[in-house]
Amino acid sequence: GQNIDQPTEMTATEGAIVQINCTYQTSGFNGLFWYQQHAGEAPTFLSYNVLDGLEEKGRFSSFLSRSKGYSYLLLKELQMKDSASYLCADLLNRDDKIIFGKGTRLHILP
Amino acid sequence: GAVVSQHPSRVICKSGTSVKIECRSLDFQATTMFWYRQFPKQSLMLMATSNEGSKATYEQGVEKDKFLINHASLTLSTLTVTSAHPEDSSFYICSARDGGRGPTEAFFGQGTRLTVV
Repeated sequence: GQNIDQPTEMTATEGAIVQINCTYQTSGFNGLFWYQQHAGEAPTFLSYNVLDGLEEKGRFSSFLSRSKGYSYLLLKELQMKDSASYLCADLLNRDDKIIFGKGTRLHILP
Repeated sequence: GAVVSQHPSRVICKSGTSVKIECRSLDFQATTMFWYRQFPKQSLMLMATSNEGSKATYEQGVEKDKFLINHASLTLSTLTVTSAHPEDSSFYICSARDGGRGPTEAFFGQGTRLTVV
């Protein structure tokens, strides 16, 4: 089965750094995604990790540890527009479907 | 990046009627598309996997006779909500992956806000 856990809500200050954690317990793991979703809109792709380690992409970085079933999304130099939900998602190998966690709503304070 | 177009973006229908939502991959062929439903302040819940030329695979608890999925071509999948009820009001989103490029991100349609009155 699949069980993806991430915090429900987080608050951070504009210009700061925030780390959003995600743990997963899945069978057939084939990669982990992070998506950003603004209210009322479709999710947009942020990152995909299949190997252990940190991948940096501008202000956003994503880390994966397969042995620990753990990932995090790191957001630097936070901007007000980063206020959104961040969804951790698991790609299941069996049939390539993507299963989403419940998402973390990030609030940015000025 | 690849584009997935979903239509309509918003629809209001009367209870008991049916609504069809279309999902098209515009610049790639998608042998598989996925349909999700999202209630307010909740995450995306996978409803079914739409397979081109064959029957859809539904997740546990999703009524296949109520949510009809047709994947007639490599670029089009449709979801029909039959005999809609107010509790079916939700945000429906389709996604597709360009399988020809190996495991990649899923591209999402714009979503359809369904309101059943």
